[in-house]
Amino acid sequence: GAGVSQSPSNKVTEKGKDVELRCDPISGHTALYWYRQRLGQGLEFLIYFQGNSAPDKSGLPSDRFSAERTGESVSTLTIQRTQQEDSAVYLCASSRQARETQYFGPGTRLLVL
Amino acid sequence: GENVEQHPSTLSVQEGDSAVIKCTYSDSASNYFPWYKQELGKRPQLIIDIRSNVGEKKDQRIAVTLNKTAKHFSLHITETQPEDSAVYFCAASIKGVRGNEKLTFGTGTRLTIIP
Repeated sequence: GAGVSQSPSNKVTEKGKDVELRCDPISGHTALYWYRQRLGQGLEFLIYFQGNSAPDKSGLPSDRFSAERTGESVSTLTIQRTQQEDSAVYLCASSRQARETQYFGPGTRLLVL
Repeated sequence: GENVEQHPSTLSVQEGDSAVIKCTYSDSASNYFPWYKQELGKRPQLIIDIRSNVGEKKDQRIAVTLNKTAKHFSLHITETQPEDSAVYFCAASIKGVRGNEKLTFGTGTRLTIIP
């Protein structure tokens, strides 16, 4: 079946601009995660959604970062007033339930000039 | 919070030989330990995982061992093949505030299989 998809695959933006990244989880997956992966680094947890519950935002690095998810569907990660240090690959993952295997999307490669 | 350390950062192995990657974690409450393989420019793919109620799990050429007392776990790849070349990430999870598996990842090991 279809896996996790993300768009855009690449985004180049100027410092100070806002960007919006999209994630389409696997159909039926109730849990959705956002991670950031800087070049040559591991994955940093950003935020987690489970159904209609309040999200776990404990990994968001600053108030410039926010994310939304409507029900168990699409999620968007918004970065306001982008900075050069925001340049990274942003990965989305979904799992059927909260404590099951996470399946990753292909990521969005963000470059802030 | 949880801290995961992974060694080595790079590893070169002759084709057919075994490769071992080791990780340590800090939070004794961690109870789920997945390993992901990431090929260049591609998404991480789960290759094997282990929960804290078992000490070892094997899937064909791949095995993972877990020592909860010492808080370390290892990935073993036997009879390595060129397609095993990739970056491997370990992770450890603790239960998040929403009941989720909150994964903390290691910094990765770049494995190169020499033909």
